[in-house]
Amino acid sequence: GEDVEQSLFLSVREGDSSVINCTYTDSSSTYLYWYKQEPGAGLQLLTYIFSNMDMKQDQRLTVLLNKKDKHLSLRIADTQTGDSAIYFCAESRPGGFKTIFGAGTRLFVKA
Amino acid sequence: GAVVSQHPSRVICKSGTSVKIECRSLDFQATTMFWYRQFPKQSLMLMATSNEGSKATYEQGVEKDKFLINHASLTLSTLTVTSAHPEDSSFYICSAKGQPSGGETQYFGPGTRLLVL
Repeated sequence: GEDVEQSLFLSVREGDSSVINCTYTDSSSTYLYWYKQEPGAGLQLLTYIFSNMDMKQDQRLTVLLNKKDKHLSLRIADTQTGDSAIYFCAESRPGGFKTIFGAGTRLFVKA
Repeated sequence: GAVVSQHPSRVICKSGTSVKIECRSLDFQATTMFWYRQFPKQSLMLMATSNEGSKATYEQGVEKDKFLINHASLTLSTLTVTSAHPEDSSFYICSAKGQPSGGETQYFGPGTRLLVL
């Protein structure tokens, strides 16, 4: 079945870059997402990428997609303490299929 | 981006009572809404998917008579936890997708924390 996997924890120093990795199994995935969840809050859509793209950049965020390896990554440049949160990777495809979420990566930024 | 609200944000109730949680899409028409449950330090667990005007589709293991979902309009879905018990205490999050906000993209509400005493 479909599966999305992420490492559970990442710790970086303030000012460094963070790279959060995700792998998925569904080769027909069309949309791939990164969501951010702060404590006690819902999920905030950070960015998404279509499967026909290799890279998407949005200010400090860079998403890289390796469709052959089914590997997605989120790079946060100049990581700040406010970036501390849980980051969820997700994939979906059109036609009424469920969005599949990873377990989330907890990012801890040390000052 | 698209905005989804939930009400209430937090609720405490006695065991045996029913609790209703509302999910609204504020600036787009939500053809599909989703209800998730999240336990502490865990990922989201999809409970059910609802399309406007039709019955919700529940995930395996989710009791439809306990978790009543109504998607009466293109901007409102409600989840009612009937005869709540302490084990129902959790963080409930809704999400919505539809036009013209973004097609397949889900936008999430801020969540509702339920505590059953």
